[in-house]
Order: sequence, then C-alpha cells, then structure tokens
Amino acid sequence: QKEVEQNSGPLSVPEGAIASLNCTYSDRGSQSFFWYRQYSGKSPELIMFIYSNGDKEDGRFTAQLNKASQYVSLLIRDSQPSDSATYLCAVKRVGSARQLTFGSGTQLTVLP
Amino acid sequence: EAQVTQNPRYLITVTGKKLTVTCSQNMNHEYMSWYRQDPGLGLRQIYYSMNVEVTDKGDVPEGYKVSRKEKRNFPLILESPSPNQTSLYFCASSLWTGGTYNEQFFGPGTRLTVL
Repeated sequence: QKEVEQNSGPLSVPEGAIASLNCTYSDRGSQSFFWYRQYSGKSPELIMFIYSNGDKEDGRFTAQLNKASQYVSLLIRDSQPSDSATYLCAVKRVGSARQLTFGSGTQLTVLP
Repeated sequence: EAQVTQNPRYLITVTGKKLTVTCSQNMNHEYMSWYRQDPGLGLRQIYYSMNVEVTDKGDVPEGYKVSRKEKRNFPLILESPSPNQTSLYFCASSLWTGGTYNEQFFGPGTRLTVL
C-alpha cells in the first residue's frame, strides 16, 4: 500500500463547476497535510495546508481533513481553465526529518 | 529575489559518465532536499540535509551522492548514471525548526536523460 494515494485521473470538469480531488494516507502518525499544484513542466507550488479535522477555506479552495478516515480532499469552486494542472497531496509526520511524503498526483483539466 | 536555482535545467548523458546537478538557495534555509519525479510515482525524496555537513537518505538514495559544505549549496552527484535514473529532479529548501513543517520552496527542475 502506498503511503499517500491519489486517483491519477485525468479528472475533467467544465468551467465554473466544483472540482473535487481526493487523497488517502496510511500513516496514522501523519499530522500535517498539504496540497501542491504543479503545472506541466514546472515545479510544485503550495496552495493549501491543513492540520486539524474539518474544513479550511482559502478563496476558491477548500481543504477537508478527516483523520479518523485518513482522508484529505481539496475542493476547487468556480473552476477556471487556469486551474488545469496536476494536484499533489503531501503529508508530514511531526518530528520526522523527511518533511513531506507525496502522492502521485491527480491531473485536473477544466474545460472552457 | 528569493529563489532556488538548479543547473543544468536539461541534461542528456550516457551511462557511466559522472555528473553533478547543482542546487543553490539564497534564503539562508537550513533544510535542503532532492526529489525525483517519475510518471505515476509522484515526488520521491532522494537525500536531505538539515544543515551544513548533516545529510541523510530519503526514500530512493541508491546511485546518488550529496554533499553540504556550504549552507546555500546542495549538489546532487551521480557517480555512474544509469538509464533508470532518467527523471525530472527537483531541489527544495526550507527553514528547519526541528521537525515542524516549514514551506518548501522548489527549484525549477532538471530533466535528466541517461542513454
């Protein structure tokens, strides 16, 4: 079992719709959760992080965390073509020097 | 401008020819790390360093070496590259505060092809 699992996609949504990206993790010691966006050929950039159960909103982005189910998701409201990218889920175990363990990413396409 | 730089950005080489990919950051970060990214496998950590002269293995260290003689530089060395090291490589840096998370800043990537 991979430590961090994501559906590879591709996920396609029409412009203006809500895109829902999901991630599960296997290490119950994971304490911090991150979503990175990566455009084709570019480096990852951090868009959201969440530490506590529940929802965290930042503009059009909402991260949701359920530690009991070992599940974290990212919702993108009012999706735009510029949101088309690969979204990487990453987790961190507190105290670990390894920083982040990444999932393989979900490719999102927002259709105009 | 705060940034992580990598050189070269693109490299095609042949099996067994030693190469070095340089990484430099200007943010005075203690923590630096190398990742490789392969289709379907995401980003996997190769080596990391928590400060000068302190390095440790990540998930996939075989075939790689690193050194951290200066705080700003963290070169990745492939002593005898093989085709299975063909990949996209990212260097990243962050503050280090004893295990709590600090945002990692990624370099632009180095696309390596080993023939």
